[in-house]
This record gives sequence, structure tokens and C-alpha cells, in this order.
Amino acid sequence: NAGVTQTPKFQVLKTGQSMTLQCAQDMNHEYMSWYRQDPGMGLRLIHYSVGAGITDQGEVPNGYNVSRSTTEDFPLRLLSAAPSQTSVYFCASSRSDEQFFGPGTRLTVL
Amino acid sequence: AQSVTQLDSQVPVFEEAPVELRCNYSSSVSVYLFWYVQYPNQGLQLLLKYLSGSTLVKGINGFEAEFNKSQTSFHLRKPSVHISDTAEYFCAVSSSNTGKLIFGQGTTLQVKP
Repeated sequence: NAGVTQTPKFQVLKTGQSMTLQCAQDMNHEYMSWYRQDPGMGLRLIHYSVGAGITDQGEVPNGYNVSRSTTEDFPLRLLSAAPSQTSVYFCASSRSDEQFFGPGTRLTVL
Repeated sequence: AQSVTQLDSQVPVFEEAPVELRCNYSSSVSVYLFWYVQYPNQGLQLLLKYLSGSTLVKGINGFEAEFNKSQTSFHLRKPSVHISDTAEYFCAVSSSNTGKLIFGQGTTLQVKP
């Protein structure tokens, strides 16, 4: 099992560019989530999904879109990147009582 | 709404000394509680979790935590720390099994020789 994988590991964008952060899991988990980590603020939930075709907003959803067409994949889209979106992004998947985190994507928006 | 407060942003401690990392939460419903550890430039690893049952929970690497419902706390403890325990520690709460976690701000544990 690869667990939760994220690509890319690092990314630099210019303001206004768009991109998609990829997340995949091979554990057949129903639940998947995206978090961003900023110094002194812990991890904040961006979007989450309780199954294919079902998504909902977390604490900080503005500027991000998600979709869940398959159980395995949960991509995060930045439509028009802003410097405030510079952060480390973590994807997670969970069974009933434990979340498994990916290695993270470090994003810098200039 | 739920929230988590980690009362110390940094905790310096000498090697082999005991340590306690404090976590308080607020919630109007029953909760599940978690502690995660993040080593430098790595992802998050689950240390321990409280779902129900015994209020004293034992985790990996010699850590344990006690759920105190009346004080809405879930403090993490280790009787003797090692240099390798230097990391950031996150307390988190969930009200259901949906994978929707609310995290505290994190506590940096720095173990000195």
C-alpha cells in the first residue's frame, strides 16, 4: 500500500495562475480531507468529502475548489492563486477513527 | 462549533525530564480526541486517540494522555523525554467519524541535552 500520496511536493506559482494539487489513496477510505498548515495556526480544514460525489466546505474554503469523482482521488484546485495561499497543504484519508496524512505539498505564490 | 486550544506554543525541556503538553477543547457534543506529532519537514503521525472507554490512553513512543471531561482537557504526557522527541505536537478534536478534524495551534517540544 502506498497510503496517501500527494503531488507535486513543491510548487511555485505567480499570482493569478491556477493549478491542481493531486491527492490519491489506495486504502478504500470513504473520507478524505484537505488541510493547510501555516506557522502558529495549526492545520485548518479547507474541504472534505464523505464519499464519491459528496463534498463540503471546511473552515477556510475560499479560493479553493474540490471534486470527488472516485473513491481514490480528491484533487484540490486553486483557480487564481494569491500570496495568501502560500502554505503547506496536506491531504488525508480516514477510516472510522483514524486519519492518514500524505507527505504534503509546499506551495509558494509570488 | 468546536475549538481546540493548546496552552503552550513552545515547551523546552531537558533530556530525561518529564513533560506535559496541555490541550483544552470546547464542544457541545461528545468528542473524539487525538494527538499527532510532526517531525521537521515531515507529515503528521498519529500518537494516540481517545474514542471512548478508559480515560487514560497510551500511545506510541511512550506517550500517554488523559481525557478529563469535566475540565474539557486532553493533556499529553511522557515521563522521560529523548532528544528524538523534538517535534511539533498537535491536539485535534472530532465530533463524528467523518474525518473532519479541528486542530489546535500546535506545541513545539524542544528537548535539550
